[in-house]
Amino acid sequence: AQTVTQSQPEMSVQEAETVTLSCTYDTSESDYYLFWYKQPPSRQMILVIRQEAYKQQNATENRFSVNFQKAAKSFSLKISDSQLGDAAMYFCAYRRAQGGSEKLVFGKGTKLTVNP
Amino acid sequence: DAGVTQSPTHLIKTRGQQVTLRCSPKSGHDTVSWYQQALGQGPQFIFQYYEEEERQRGNFPDRFSGHQFPNYSSELNVNALLLGDSALYLCASSFGQEEAFFGQGTRLTVV
Repeated sequence: AQTVTQSQPEMSVQEAETVTLSCTYDTSESDYYLFWYKQPPSRQMILVIRQEAYKQQNATENRFSVNFQKAAKSFSLKISDSQLGDAAMYFCAYRRAQGGSEKLVFGKGTKLTVNP
Repeated sequence: DAGVTQSPTHLIKTRGQQVTLRCSPKSGHDTVSWYQQALGQGPQFIFQYYEEEERQRGNFPDRFSGHQFPNYSSELNVNALLLGDSALYLCASSFGQEEAFFGQGTRLTVV
């Protein structure tokens, strides 16, 4: 079974600084997707960034970027120029790349605090 | 497009009762998945519906059941509620390999 581990229950960062959230996963599959979701107090899961395992290039979305190390099964999220609105729970998630939609396997999350 | 909508947003039930949660998927999506998120934890997959049938199921007892209607909306039913069923229940809709979109969840409290 696939597992996702987030070893940092809580992280904090100063506004405008950079922070990196860690995630490792375990799978025997060769083709899969990895995601970072943000969950603010409003509870709705919002997709931050997505990485296809077959792509060597790291995904980037504005201030958010990932460091995907397939051999090490590591998938960290870097947030640059942190803003107060980035404060939330961040979840790393894994999904097999099969035909049709597959379930998401989530880590336990990292609570990010942004200090003004 | 209203995105994924869930109802109700909150509810309180007594142990032993039954509850039904509802989800309307994002327009164009045909697959609905349900997740349970206990306090301080990541979401856990309950089951997924596609073409009105349960396609995948997580490690949840038979007390948890669901349904998908021809318009792709879905219901999650939980029978014989336990205190441990208190959680945020999230619905996600998707189409094929595209990203899943989540609703705002239903907060269920069992007393």
